[in-house]
Amino acid sequence: GQNIDQPTEMTATEGAIVQINCTYQTSGFNGLFWYQQHAGEAPTFLSYNVLDGLEEKGRFSSFLSRSKGYSYLLLKELQMKDSASYLCAVRDQRNDYKLSFGAGTTVTVRA
Amino acid sequence: KAGVTQTPRYLIKTRGQQVTLSCSPISGHRSVSWYQQTPGQGLQFLFEYFSETQRNKGNFPGRFSGRQFSNSRSEMNVSTLELGDSALYLCASSATYTGELFFGEGSRLTVL
Repeated sequence: GQNIDQPTEMTATEGAIVQINCTYQTSGFNGLFWYQQHAGEAPTFLSYNVLDGLEEKGRFSSFLSRSKGYSYLLLKELQMKDSASYLCAVRDQRNDYKLSFGAGTTVTVRA
Repeated sequence: KAGVTQTPRYLIKTRGQQVTLSCSPISGHRSVSWYQQTPGQGLQFLFEYFSETQRNKGNFPGRFSGRQFSNSRSEMNVSTLELGDSALYLCASSATYTGELFFGEGSRLTVL
């Protein structure tokens, strides 16, 4: 199985940058996903990392270090609409590619 | 392209009853996964089906079961409901079992 840890809550100011860290332990890493979930809505896919390095997608970037079991999601130029829960999820190829989620990080953006 | 559709969206049951939830995946997606989401536990994996076969199962009691039909639609059933089963049940589909998941809006179950 795997343990996936991420901070419970983060607060930042509109226009600022926030970095959400995620650490994991898995025996058969096969990819890491980040999802965004607004209150009362379904999670939506943000990013996918399977190789080490940075993936950039507009204001959002995600980084992966497989040797450290570490990823982060970077949110730049924060907007009020970015207030949401951000979920880190890891796929384990030794567990039939099961996708397991962390508990999520609630980001609050203040004006 | 229509997204993942879950029915019903909301339901209220009493302890001891059973419930069946339905999920229609995105057209062409053969993998369907089910998750339970609660405020304290986050998203907990229930099971995954691919081409009508259960590929993976989470650590839930046998009261939780599911199936997938030949058209990829899936159902999950919870028997002998307990208060702790109150949660948002999310279904997600994927084109393959290694791809990204597309989630439905969920079925919010309240057990009284």
